[in-house]
Amino acid sequence: NAGVTQTPKFRVLKTGQSMTLLCAQDMNHEYMYWYRQDPGMGLRLIHYSVGEGTTAKGEVPDGYNVSRLKKQNFLLGLESAAPSQTSVYFCASSYSKVTGGQDTQYFGPGTRLTVL
Amino acid sequence: RKEVEQDPGPFNVPEGATVAFNCTYSNSASQSFFWYRQDCRKEPKLLMSVYSSGNEDGRFTAQLNRASQYISLLIRDSKLSDSATYLCVVIKRDNYGQNFVFGPGTRLSVLP
Repeated sequence: NAGVTQTPKFRVLKTGQSMTLLCAQDMNHEYMYWYRQDPGMGLRLIHYSVGEGTTAKGEVPDGYNVSRLKKQNFLLGLESAAPSQTSVYFCASSYSKVTGGQDTQYFGPGTRLTVL
Repeated sequence: RKEVEQDPGPFNVPEGATVAFNCTYSNSASQSFFWYRQDCRKEPKLLMSVYSSGNEDGRFTAQLNRASQYISLLIRDSKLSDSATYLCVVIKRDNYGQNFVFGPGTRLSVLP
């Protein structure tokens, strides 16, 4: 099992450029999450999904869009990047209907994004 | 006010010391509680769940006081490898699903 993987690991964008971050999990988890982590702020939830084809807004959704077309993948899009979106982005997943474990989140290694 | 607050730290302690971290949460509907550990430039990983009766895992003891909306983590006999940021996490459940709410973290440095 690879667990939760994220691509890319690093990216530098110019203001106004767009990009998509990919998260993949091989644990058959129902729930997936996108967070951003900034110094002194802790992890803040951007968007999340409780199943294939469903998404919901978290604490800081503005400037981001997400899609969950396949159960194992959760995509985070930045349509027009801004310097305020410079951050470390973590994807996480939880809850398998087969094994339970609803309360344990597994994180990917993170994507370090810089917007100039 | 942040939904989950923690001691700001950093905590710098010598090897072998006992150190305690505190966490408070504001939403009384919070249903589950955890401590996660995050090493520098790495992803968070679950350290332990926190139960109302208190629970222990080796050198680590977690306590929950629902009435005061307070969570604690005690680390005994600190090791160099305990140096990390400790994140207090609560789960809120609603009709749609569940959200994990993270505190800002408390950084611990264990010194030789």
